[in-house]
Amino acid sequence: GDSVTQMEGPVTLSEEACLTINCTYTATGYPSLFWYVQYPGEGLQLLLKATKADDKGSNKGFEATYRKETTSFHLEKGSVQVSDSAVYFCALRPSGAGSYQLTFGKGTKLSVIP
Amino acid sequence: DAGITQSPRHKVTETGTPVTLRCHQTENHRYMYWYRQDPGHGLRLIHYSYGVKDTDKGEVSDGYSVSRSKTEDFLLTLESATSSQTSVYFCAISESGRTSGNQETQYFGPGTRLLVL
Repeated sequence: GDSVTQMEGPVTLSEEACLTINCTYTATGYPSLFWYVQYPGEGLQLLLKATKADDKGSNKGFEATYRKETTSFHLEKGSVQVSDSAVYFCALRPSGAGSYQLTFGKGTKLSVIP
Repeated sequence: DAGITQSPRHKVTETGTPVTLRCHQTENHRYMYWYRQDPGHGLRLIHYSYGVKDTDKGEVSDGYSVSRSKTEDFLLTLESATSSQTSVYFCAISESGRTSGNQETQYFGPGTRLLVL
């Protein structure tokens, strides 16, 4: 079945450091790929998405590129801030009709210290 | 932000009692979903609905039932709660189930924290 694997956390970075959270997936065809962010005590918010190979999703300084050849969708940010501290989830939605289910990775907790 | 509310936000109950969680949306979206979030598992789909009175099972549906009598409300029921159902429950909505622009994006509610003693 479909699956998403993301790097284990927690990740602790100093402010202004570079961030990469790795995400790889297993799925047939061309799934849609998502990054969601969950701030403490809140629900999940869509951070960015990509729906086809080589698409780059971006939002709030975060970027991720849909790499079909490596089945990856790594999340990157050049300079993190304390306000970026949250749990980040990679997810996929299978292609094809009737594919309603989002499959999530286990989440990566990011802590940014001043 | 998508207009999604969940009630209650927190609940403590005892093993064997029935529990109903409510998700209410003001977006008139067709699709609604219930997920549970547990440490080390991410989010897993329990049930989803693709219209009024149209529902189907997700990955972890055992012990749960759902109902949707109106577009705006999606209820999740634990008929006889067990300690293994202690979790945080999230409702989500999407305009469409198909891959089409932003229609497939799922928007999440704030969550309900359930503790079964």
